[in-house]
Amino acid sequence: AQSVAQPEDQVNVAEGNPLTVKCTYSVSGNPYLFWYVQYPNRGLQFLLKYITGDNLVKGSYGFEAEFNKSQTSFHLKKPSALVSDSALYFCAVWVGNEKLTFGTGTRLTIIP
Amino acid sequence: DAGITQSPRYKITETGRQVTLMCHQTWSHSYMFWYRQDLGHGLRLIYYSAAADITDKGEVPDGYVVSRSKTENFPLTLESATRSQTSVYFCASNPRLGTDTQYFGPGTRLTVL
Repeated sequence: AQSVAQPEDQVNVAEGNPLTVKCTYSVSGNPYLFWYVQYPNRGLQFLLKYITGDNLVKGSYGFEAEFNKSQTSFHLKKPSALVSDSALYFCAVWVGNEKLTFGTGTRLTIIP
Repeated sequence: DAGITQSPRYKITETGRQVTLMCHQTWSHSYMFWYRQDLGHGLRLIYYSAAADITDKGEVPDGYVVSRSKTENFPLTLESATRSQTSVYFCASNPRLGTDTQYFGPGTRLTVL
């Protein structure tokens, strides 16, 4: 069975500082990994994905994520946080069984 | 407008009543999904559909029924609502599995009294 863990329910970062939202996964096989963002009273929006190739993936709004196979991680990063980055972030994994498995989410708060 | 829509956006009902949540997408995506979002659980898959007239259970299907007579519609019915079904429900679609992005509707907030 595949699973995703987001070890931090809440992350607080000062505006302008770098941010990291952590994600680890457990799968049998090669994973496809995704990050989605949810703003208040909205559905989830796609940020970025890792399918194959370069381990560093760049996505929307200046976010990037690094796939680390040895550590089974796919952490989301941004060099300089904006207040508008405050939202709920979900990591997800797919390994060929038709269902995308989501983590429990991390609430990111950027402090002005 | 193109996209994926859900109705109603908010619903309050009573225990034991039947409730149907609607989902409509304009892309003709093959795959459609229903999730529920609860604090501490993230998103959990209720049912999904690979095409019209093809549906399958997800992680938490008990108490729910789905149908898909047309590609663009995927209604979710709570046959006899319970308080534990109070949640935010999201519909999603994508054209293919795996590498394709899932597109989410705006959600329906359901309260069962």
